[in-house]
Amino acid sequence: NAGVTQTPKFQVLKTGQSMTLQCAQDMNHNSMYWYRQDPGMGLRLIYYSASEGTTDKGEVPNGYNVSRLNKREFSLRLESAAPSQTSVYFCASSTGGVGEKLFFGSGTQLSVL
Amino acid sequence: AQRVTQPEKLLSVFKGAPVELKCNYSYSGSPELFWYVQYSRQRLQLLLRHISRESIKGFTADLNKGETSFHLKKPFAQEEDSAMYYCALTSNRDDKIIFGKGTRLHILP
Repeated sequence: NAGVTQTPKFQVLKTGQSMTLQCAQDMNHNSMYWYRQDPGMGLRLIYYSASEGTTDKGEVPNGYNVSRLNKREFSLRLESAAPSQTSVYFCASSTGGVGEKLFFGSGTQLSVL
Repeated sequence: AQRVTQPEKLLSVFKGAPVELKCNYSYSGSPELFWYVQYSRQRLQLLLRHISRESIKGFTADLNKGETSFHLKKPFAQEEDSAMYYCALTSNRDDKIIFGKGTRLHILP
C-alpha cells in the first residue's frame, strides 16, 4: 500500500545549490502534480503532468523544472535554490479526468539557508 | 483565471456547535469542487467532492453557482474535526487543480 512516495522527507540546502525531489506512485495514475505549502498561502500548484510525456506550468513555476520520467515518476528540480523556496513540497497523483480525487505523498520539508 | 477564496484563516467552534467553512470560487466555465482535509501528522486527503454529492464524517457541501460558493457544513462539531481544510477547484478543460489558502478549524471542548 505504498501509494505516493516522496523522497527525501527533509532537506537543507544552501542558497545556490541544486537538488531534485523524487516522487513515485504505484496506482497506475495518469496525472501527477507538485504543490508547495506555505503558511498563509495554502497549497500552490507548481507544475503538473496530465499524462506521461506532458508537463504544464501551474501557479508558481518560476525557479523549478520537472520531468515526467515515466508513468510512475515525476521529479521536481531546483536548479539554484533560493531562501524563498523554503517550503513543504507535496506530490500528488490521480487517475485524471474531471472530479477525480488526488492522492498525496507525505511531503518534503525543504529549508534553503 | 481560476481562483479559490477561503476567507477565514482560523475558525474556532465549540464542540457540538454547527460548523461552516466558507469557500468561494472564480471560474468562467463549469467547475468541479472539492474539500480536502489535513489532520495533524497525516497526509492531505479528500473529504468530499461535489460530483459525487456524498456526505463524509457528517460534512456536506452544496455548490451554489449563483453565489459561486461551496461552503462546507456540519451540524454538530466533534473534537476530531480539528484540522486544516482546503477547498479546491478543477475544470473540464484540463487537469489543473487549484487550492485555496486553507482554514484551520479548531474545535473547543
